[in-house]
Amino acid sequence: GAVVSQHPSRVICKSGTSVKIECRSLDFQATTMFWYRQFPKKSLMLMATSNEGSKATYEQGVEKDKFLINHASLTLSTLTVTSAHPEDSSFYICSASTRLAIADTQYFGPGTRLTVL
Amino acid sequence: DAKTTQPPSMDCAEGRAANLPCNHSTISGNEYVYWYRQIHSQGPQYIIHGLKNNETNEMASLIITEDRKSSTLILPHATLRDTAVYYCIVANDYKLSFGAGTTVTVRA
Repeated sequence: GAVVSQHPSRVICKSGTSVKIECRSLDFQATTMFWYRQFPKKSLMLMATSNEGSKATYEQGVEKDKFLINHASLTLSTLTVTSAHPEDSSFYICSASTRLAIADTQYFGPGTRLTVL
Repeated sequence: DAKTTQPPSMDCAEGRAANLPCNHSTISGNEYVYWYRQIHSQGPQYIIHGLKNNETNEMASLIITEDRKSSTLILPHATLRDTAVYYCIVANDYKLSFGAGTTVTVRA
């Protein structure tokens, strides 16, 4: 149980285009989903927290107009990287939690490798 | 402002127990200790978590000292597939802050 999927697993796009990444909780309802970014040989950095039906909360330094997050249902959240540039190339990972308990675990997706040319 | 300190790397032999230490001397009373691992180019995988009691599941055991200032993750019989970066995280809400972790290499 507790499976989270991401689509696509890899994407290559041209500079200036927008890319949408989907995160789905397959066998549970996720009240909260998180989006992380990981640069090569670095640790995960939390970008934003999204709750179903409400606006996402962004971490300091993350541009909310550039990284659009939508959490339209209890099983789906999307991250759209708008007007992508080469410096946005990274490994994007989502996680999902039911938030039923204070120590509820986060279950992570397999990640999406974004390369902006 | 890292809340945990872990050794950057460690090796262990296949089939032997792997003991991964973590210091969290500033942990507060309502913070849990979580362990995740990340195999290369994959999303992190949840391993175990605890508050003050020792915990065990099918993957590992978590030993937390009585003063809660440190903990040890034990992989009872390491296999080559346990090679990964292991993250020790303390948190009292849903936000996990990942540090550098310990790169564990299991050798045959």
